Amino acid sequence: AQSVTQLDSHVSVSEGTPVLLRCNYSSSYSPSLFWYVQHPNKGLQLLLKYTSAATLVKGINGFEAEFKKSETSFHLTKPSAHMSDAAEYFCVVRGTGANNLFFGTGTRLTVIP
Amino acid sequence: EAGVAQSPRYKIIEKRQSVAFWCNPISGHATLYWYQQILGQGPKLLIQFQNNGVVDDSQLPKDRFSAERLKGVDSTLKIQPAKLEDSAVYLCASSLYVAGDGGELFFGEGSRLTVL
Repeated sequence: AQSVTQLDSHVSVSEGTPVLLRCNYSSSYSPSLFWYVQHPNKGLQLLLKYTSAATLVKGINGFEAEFKKSETSFHLTKPSAHMSDAAEYFCVVRGTGANNLFFGTGTRLTVIP
Repeated sequence: EAGVAQSPRYKIIEKRQSVAFWCNPISGHATLYWYQQILGQGPKLLIQFQNNGVVDDSQLPKDRFSAERLKGVDSTLKIQPAKLEDSAVYLCASSLYVAGDGGELFFGEGSRLTVL
């Protein structure tokens, strides 16, 4: 079975400082992994996805994530936080067979001015 | 390109009442999903359609929830009768690719249900 664990329910950073949102996955095969962002009262938006190509994946808005098989991790990073980055972030793994996604519990990012 | 449309955005009902949510996916997207997102949790799949057929409804509480996608385009999710624990945001998503090798899922803004 596939699952993801987001290690922090809430992360707070100052504007202009780096962002690190942590995610570990569990999968019996080479997984497809995603990060989605959800702004208040908005739909989920895809930030980036890993599908067994390059292990360092670049996404929108300056975010990137690195797939580390030895650590079963897929952490999301950004060099410099912006106020508009404040949102809920979900790490997601794709299940087998049907195109179903399994979501983590989310990390709320707060950016302090 | 128009996104996934959902309505209503907000609904407040009393327990044991019924409610229906509507979703119109992105034009041409064959796959449609309904997710339930309870406060403080990640979204959980309720049902997945491929055109007008059901691919996966294993997590749908069929004693009270039903969904249909007539004509393989828009979809309706119904809850009858509602329970307090059904309070959640109901997210609709659509995808261009067929099941098994899917691409990106595009989500609507959700329908927030409060059951009193």
